[in-house]
Amino acid sequence: NAGVTQTPKFQVLKTGQSMTLQCAQDMNHNSMYWYRQDPGMGLRLIYYSASEGTTDKGEVPNGYNVSRLNKREFSLRLESAAPSQTSVYFCASSGTSNTQYFGPGTRLTVL
Amino acid sequence: AQKITQTQPGMFVQEKEAVTLDCTYDTSDPSYGLFWYKQPSSGEMIFLIYQGSYDQQNATEGRYSLNFQKARKSANLVISASQLGDSAMYFCAMREGGAGGYNKLIFGAGTRLAVHP
Repeated sequence: NAGVTQTPKFQVLKTGQSMTLQCAQDMNHNSMYWYRQDPGMGLRLIYYSASEGTTDKGEVPNGYNVSRLNKREFSLRLESAAPSQTSVYFCASSGTSNTQYFGPGTRLTVL
Repeated sequence: AQKITQTQPGMFVQEKEAVTLDCTYDTSDPSYGLFWYKQPSSGEMIFLIYQGSYDQQNATEGRYSLNFQKARKSANLVISASQLGDSAMYFCAMREGGAGGYNKLIFGAGTRLAVHP
């Protein structure tokens, strides 16, 4: 039982490049989330998916797109990376309880 | 607007002593939930404890307890008998909206706790 997994763990991009961050959960949770964590700050919600087939914007959605591929997988795409998107990205999932369980994070640097 | 405030950027405590990490919140929603997460230097986010706005008793999980004072809008985390492994960043978070299903969390800026031997 792996919980929430994320790939890659680390990534360096040049400005303007695109990439997709992958997230998968094996807890049969309906809801999934993407957050970013900047130095000295708490996590901020980028996008979330309340259930399979739905996605909605969070607090800081600009520059990102998401896809809820199926119940297990929720990906985050940066179409044209900018230095302001340098951050640590966390995926999380939740079921019928109130608790969100987080993946290990992806550390992204945009040069 | 909903908001979480953690006023202590850093705290330190002697091993085996208790420590309280402060969290205040602001919301107009009568139904909400409060969480504490631990982030060690390895970076993962570890769920510690949850308190619902309608829960009558303060939540406890092992050495962690949540001192919930609804009228003061505070949800302080108390760690008893601190251990060296408790050294980490601690985040307070609040759930928007009702319980169950999806929950958008709002996080505070965190408190860095150092446990000294």
